[in-house]
Amino acid sequence: NAGVTQTPKFRILKIGQSMTLQCTQDMNHNYMYWYRQDPGMGLKLIYYSVGAGITDKGEVPNGYNVSRSTTEDFPLRLELAAPSQTSVYFCASSYPPRGEPSYNEQFFGPGTRLTVL
Amino acid sequence: QKEVEQNSGPLSVPEGAIASLNCTYSDRGSQSFFWYRQYSGKSPELIMSIYSNGDKEDGRFTAQLNKASQYVSLLIRDSQPSDSATYLCAVIPPTGGGNKLTFGTGTQLKVEL
Repeated sequence: NAGVTQTPKFRILKIGQSMTLQCTQDMNHNYMYWYRQDPGMGLKLIYYSVGAGITDKGEVPNGYNVSRSTTEDFPLRLELAAPSQTSVYFCASSYPPRGEPSYNEQFFGPGTRLTVL
Repeated sequence: QKEVEQNSGPLSVPEGAIASLNCTYSDRGSQSFFWYRQYSGKSPELIMSIYSNGDKEDGRFTAQLNKASQYVSLLIRDSQPSDSATYLCAVIPPTGGGNKLTFGTGTQLKVEL
């Protein structure tokens, strides 16, 4: 199993450009998440999905969009990139919560480092 | 008040010592608590989870939970240089769905030879 994969690893965008960050998982997880991590900070949830066709906003959704057409894929779209979106983006996935917290483990992808200039 | 608070550190301990990392949370109804380790430039990986008051041990790691005082801690015994990383405390708050995690800002641990 590859786990959670993300592409690209690095990207530099100009202000106003758009791009899609790709995320794929092969663990048949229903739940998927997008986080951003700014330097020296914890992770903040952007969007999440509890299954194909179902998405919801997290803590910092402005400037982003998501879609979930399959169980495996959860792309994150940046429209009109701004310097404030310079960050490291992590995608994660998990099973639905089932009692013990260990069953709620979120598995993270390697991240995409995005710079907006 | 931040939902999950951690001392940013760095916390420096000598090799072989016990490292103690602390985390407090604001939402009294939170039920699930996690410690993630994050090496520089890498993604977080889960090392401990706990949901009952008391201690939970796994190898050199012990998680401690005190819901009355709203804190959770992580002890690392016999600290090794390979334990040098940032440790993120995460909580699932009682409101909302989606198994969402709220993270602290992390404590940087340095284990010195």
